[in-house]
Amino acid sequence: DGGITQSPKYLFRKEGQNVTLSCEQNLNHDAMYWYRQDPGQGLRLIYYSQIVNDFQKGDIAEGYSVSREKKESFPLTVTSAQKNPTAFYLCASSSLGGYYGYTFGSGTRLTVV
Amino acid sequence: AQTVTQSQPEMSVQEAETVTLSCTYDTSESDYYLFWYKQPPSRQMILVIRQEAYKQQNATENRFSVNFQKAAKSFSLKISDSQLGDAAMYFCAYRSAIPGTASKLTFGTGTRLQVTL
Repeated sequence: DGGITQSPKYLFRKEGQNVTLSCEQNLNHDAMYWYRQDPGQGLRLIYYSQIVNDFQKGDIAEGYSVSREKKESFPLTVTSAQKNPTAFYLCASSSLGGYYGYTFGSGTRLTVV
Repeated sequence: AQTVTQSQPEMSVQEAETVTLSCTYDTSESDYYLFWYKQPPSRQMILVIRQEAYKQQNATENRFSVNFQKAAKSFSLKISDSQLGDAAMYFCAYRSAIPGTASKLTFGTGTRLQVTL
């Protein structure tokens, strides 16, 4: 079945560490996105990519980095520069136009300990 | 930049009744797409309904329908015959239809819907 897989489901990070969240899709979608979800703030766009080897910053890119070396994969690294990384992270993909909305993964809950 | 506002943080409806969730948006564009997403306790985001701004007819999907008022920039979601499984967070989202623009969605802050017996 086609879909998006995010891993891990839960992730714990110590202060000062970088962590990488995985996102893989087999929908043959060109575009992929990372959103952060915090209580009362909805979903905020971190980074997005419309084509392999190209990506753009979203509204809250500071402290995050991404890569898009393969069409199927769009990993997100939460760096030690991100001051408040505890949140729920959602990955999504769409056809290039995105006119029919996104398909979402099941999310990763990141907690700083 | 476009903004999406959901002014009702929480709503409650009795089973089998009808409830309407509000969404307003701010844009200077004339062509765009609007979406409602549902996020149940599993936190999996599910597309509920989609509306194309150039279509005057309101979209419907089974018990879900929208009231799209383009001039008022309003896009409310009506859920008829509410069921316990409708309990979730509901997000309204906007996507520009201008050719060449990125396919990113802008989301509202969400409305938590509680369904009671």
